Amino acid sequence: SQTIHQWPATLVQPVGSPLSLECTVEGTSNPNLYWYRQAAGRGLQLLFYSVGIGQISSEVPQNLSASRPQDRQFILSSKKLLLSDSGFYLCAWSSKTNEKLFFGSGTQLSVL
Amino acid sequence: AQSVTQLGSHVSVSEGALVLLRCNYSSSVPPYLFWYVQYPNQGLQLLLKYTSAATLVKGINGFEAEFKKSETSFHLTKPSAHMSDAAEYFCAVSAAGGTSYGKLTFGQGTILTVHP
Repeated sequence: SQTIHQWPATLVQPVGSPLSLECTVEGTSNPNLYWYRQAAGRGLQLLFYSVGIGQISSEVPQNLSASRPQDRQFILSSKKLLLSDSGFYLCAWSSKTNEKLFFGSGTQLSVL
Repeated sequence: AQSVTQLGSHVSVSEGALVLLRCNYSSSVPPYLFWYVQYPNQGLQLLLKYTSAATLVKGINGFEAEFKKSETSFHLTKPSAHMSDAAEYFCAVSAAGGTSYGKLTFGQGTILTVHP
């Protein structure tokens, strides 16, 4: 069966520090991968999606970047965090032929 | 372009009462529609989805939703609320098929509280 791992679960970082969140998927190959953010009191917003290794599409302009160095690995990064980067970050995957999204357990990021 | 509006950021019901969570969507193309549930500090779990088959969709945990094109609605219902239904619920829309898989536009979410 397929599983998705996302870590860390919680993270507190000072403004201006770098960020690296990692997500890996097991039990499937060539998935579509996604990073969503859920800010306090708001719905989920799609930040990035990837249909293959090295292929990243950004949905909104922001202080963050994403990379996909391996088929089942998706990384969210920032060189210098802003206060507005605080939120709950969710990684997700879907197959190429099914609309169902499978979400990781999320990372609660607090930038202070 | 697509958008989703969930009416009511908080809904409170008594255990055993009807649950009704409202969702209206806007889409310029035939939509796929979803309801996801999120328990505290967890990721989202799919409750049900509409993908242009039957307009009345049954999901997990006794939930169902009806796609009404004329009203651009996809309201979520459950006949009898259970304490374990307390969570945040998200309605979402995507364009049907192809490269739109997984690229969902979510509503703001509705927090459901169930009182004993």
